[in-house]
Amino acid sequence: GPKVLQIPSHQIIDMGQMVTLNCDPVSNHLYFYWYKQILGQQMEFLVNFYNGKVMEKSKLFKDQFSVERPDGSYFTLKIQPTALEDSAVYFCASSMGLGTYEQYFGPGTRLTVL
Amino acid sequence: QQQVRQSPQSLTVWEGETAILNCSYENSAFDYFPWYQQFPGEGPALLISILSVSNKKEDGRFTIFFNKREKKLSLHIADSQPGDSATYFCAGTNTGGADRLTFGKGTQLIIQP
Repeated sequence: GPKVLQIPSHQIIDMGQMVTLNCDPVSNHLYFYWYKQILGQQMEFLVNFYNGKVMEKSKLFKDQFSVERPDGSYFTLKIQPTALEDSAVYFCASSMGLGTYEQYFGPGTRLTVL
Repeated sequence: QQQVRQSPQSLTVWEGETAILNCSYENSAFDYFPWYQQFPGEGPALLISILSVSNKKEDGRFTIFFNKREKKLSLHIADSQPGDSATYFCAGTNTGGADRLTFGKGTQLIIQP
């Protein structure tokens, strides 16, 4: 199926630092998403993004979180500052929209906050 | 509040048997239900999906049965293979809304050769 890429695969940082997670969505997709998965639990929606704007965000999307996709480059999730509870695997997804509903996921970035 | 529930948490079947994974949901507005397959260390891969206007969707060995009245669906994996061993997630969304997926906690499927 369509491939979504995520960089890096694993990031270890100290609490309070800033981190940026990068996503390269499927090339002709218009909608972008971030989900968070804590070990052993289900994946939970954070935010979705379309046409340069956040469409919807969940209560997990704290004020310290931000997303952007400058000039069609990576779709990024920035956390500043990080907290211990931000440790999780973050999955990026994209979909074409336009009446199709399939969301395709990347391999995830494992974030460890020390 | 667990909006999407999956059972069993873990399932072991013999190679060649049919594995049945169950899912139920609470939100009546959900009308699109994808199933994802996830191997350890990888992202979830879209396996098969169904819209609520249908009660059955088939793709090779994978079949979704959907019961809108009872808010239940199930994934049947026929002639299961050791390579099918993975965690399977059921999800739901309202296609008329912002299309956030709500996931269940997953079923870990083990196929014994």
